[in-house]
Amino acid sequence: DQQVKQNSPSLSVQEGRISILNCDYTNSMFDYFLWYKKYPAEGPTFLISISSIKDKNEDGRFTVFLNKSAKHLSLHIVPSQPGDSAVYFCAASRYNNNDMRFGAGTRLTVKP
Amino acid sequence: DAMVIQNPRYQVTQFGKPVTLSCSQTLNHNVMYWYQQKSSQAPKLLFHYYDKDFNNEADTPDNFQSRRPNTSFCFLDIRSPGLGDAAMYLCATSRVAEVPNEQFFGPGTRLTVL
Repeated sequence: DQQVKQNSPSLSVQEGRISILNCDYTNSMFDYFLWYKKYPAEGPTFLISISSIKDKNEDGRFTVFLNKSAKHLSLHIVPSQPGDSAVYFCAASRYNNNDMRFGAGTRLTVKP
Repeated sequence: DAMVIQNPRYQVTQFGKPVTLSCSQTLNHNVMYWYQQKSSQAPKLLFHYYDKDFNNEADTPDNFQSRRPNTSFCFLDIRSPGLGDAAMYLCATSRVAEVPNEQFFGPGTRLTVL
């Protein structure tokens, strides 16, 4: 069962514009959400996270929004840069549990 | 630099021939994880160790085993690889078990089964 879904396999945006990556989850027990970024030939690296007690978390150009009622989160990158081109994975877990479930990823391409 | 290292980066084995993938870490993290990722799919957790305590996912096939001889090293053993086991295998670590800290990933080992 796929508890975390990223329905867009790919996204292409122009440099300087906003990138919006979306993620949906089905398990209402999830209360901690993370975004990872993966470059080719490297492992995923942590980007930003959000707890279910918040609806927004911001770190520089990256902002994650959480809509608990819709079981939806999104990652906003603004302004997008060519170096942001990578695969972005959404992940979710329960706060007291090691189990982290990943989405299948969205490949972001930022064009110069 | 503290890191998670996986060897080899590419592994080719034959159908049914046992294979071992290795992971080491210099982060001194107490939790180590093994994920399987098939093409264009989500990484799937196979099992994890919290110190020496082994935690197997319910749907992980018996064909997959793991060993953690010390804090730094963790091995994934595939006893009789099938063609369906061809995938990228990712090792990850984290600091504590009880809170969902970020996980630190190695670069992965791509397994090919002939």
